[in-house]
Amino acid sequence: GENVEQHPSTLSVQEGDSAVIKCTYSDSASNYFPWYKQELGKRPQLIIDIRSNVGEKKDQRIAVTLNKTAKHFSLHITETQPEDSAVYFCAASRGGNKLTFGGGTRVLVKP
Amino acid sequence: GAVVSQHPSRVICKSGTSVKIECRSLDFQATTMFWYRQFPKQSLMLMATSNEGSKATYEQGVEKDKFLINHASLTLSTLTVTSAHPEDSSFYICSASGLGSTDTQYFGPGTRLTVL
Repeated sequence: GENVEQHPSTLSVQEGDSAVIKCTYSDSASNYFPWYKQELGKRPQLIIDIRSNVGEKKDQRIAVTLNKTAKHFSLHITETQPEDSAVYFCAASRGGNKLTFGGGTRVLVKP
Repeated sequence: GAVVSQHPSRVICKSGTSVKIECRSLDFQATTMFWYRQFPKQSLMLMATSNEGSKATYEQGVEKDKFLINHASLTLSTLTVTSAHPEDSSFYICSASGLGSTDTQYFGPGTRLTVL
């Protein structure tokens, strides 16, 4: 089955700096890669996703890049703000199917 | 759009009792619903996948007789934890897909189960 590794497990950045989270996956048939943000005690919320026919996608301060050959994808958050502090999860799936989640990254943005 | 509700948000029960958790898609028809379990400071672990009118598909290691899943309609799935024990205490979260893209999963707010 699919295996998703996520790094780092914790990330502390100064407000205004960029944050980068990286994930690798094992199943070359995976073609859908969402990123979720989860605040303490709350539901995971989809913040951005990318499909395998695209190499990069951007939405305001958030961007995701995908390297299918190397089987890794990354989340980039620019101009970080305190409200970006949360746990971020990457995931992978074959499409229309179950998601396999990474272990999560706890991001702390220091004011 | 894409709102998923879950009820109850918190439940405390005695060991040996059964607890039912409901997951509803409020503004779309969910062709597939998923049930996850999340331990503190850990990732989401998929327990089972359910399609309306079909038997749920359970992940390896998940006891189907203990975690009963019913997906009676395109907007409702239920998870029943039978004969609950303290080790079943956890955060249970459902998700639903079917709005626009079958890939995207929208999550419910979760249910915190505590078994005494």
